[in-house]
Amino acid sequence: DGGITQSPKYLFRKEGQNVTLSCEQNLNHDAMYWYRQDPGQGLRLIYYSQIVNDFQKGDIAEGYSVSREKKESFPLTVTSAQKNPTAFYLCASSSGHSTPGEQFFGPGTRLTVL
Amino acid sequence: RKEVEQDPGPFNVPEGATVAFNCTYSNSASQSFFWYRQDCRKEPKLLMSVYSSGNEDGRFTAQLNRASQYISLLIRDSKLSDSATYLCVVNEPAAGNKLTFGGGTRVLVKP
Repeated sequence: DGGITQSPKYLFRKEGQNVTLSCEQNLNHDAMYWYRQDPGQGLRLIYYSQIVNDFQKGDIAEGYSVSREKKESFPLTVTSAQKNPTAFYLCASSSGHSTPGEQFFGPGTRLTVL
Repeated sequence: RKEVEQDPGPFNVPEGATVAFNCTYSNSASQSFFWYRQDCRKEPKLLMSVYSSGNEDGRFTAQLNRASQYISLLIRDSKLSDSATYLCVVNEPAAGNKLTFGGGTRVLVKP
């Protein structure tokens, strides 16, 4: 079955630690995205990548980093510089063949900083 | 002002009733509009696109008013399974096809 996987589902981190969230897709999509969602709020774009080896900052990139070395993988690192990292992190992908505006989301990772 | 604004609700709806809610957007250059559905603690999924002429998909009707910069979603004959948060989403091709999400409107359908 094609889809997007994210791991882990729940992640706990101590303050001052970097942590990497995994996102893998086997949909052969070119574009991938990272969002964070806080309670009662909409999704905010952290980083996106429209092609392998290229990525752009979204609206709230500070304290985060990404890489796109493979088409199917787009890991997100939450660094110690991120002031309020506790949130629900969602990875998404899309292709030029999708319904315009349609992004397919993974199940998300809930990060809690202790 | 937020780029995409929604009434957070919740809208408490008796089963079988009709519910409608709006979303306003600030960028008059926005090109495409969508409704996504998000169940509690799950990922969002595309519900329907919103076309200028208005469109219907079963019990769901979406409309766009460009002059007043809002879109609407109407749900007829509400089912218990319609309980979810509905996210208004605006696509901006000039910004690399970026999607901007509203905060969502929560709908609770009760027996």
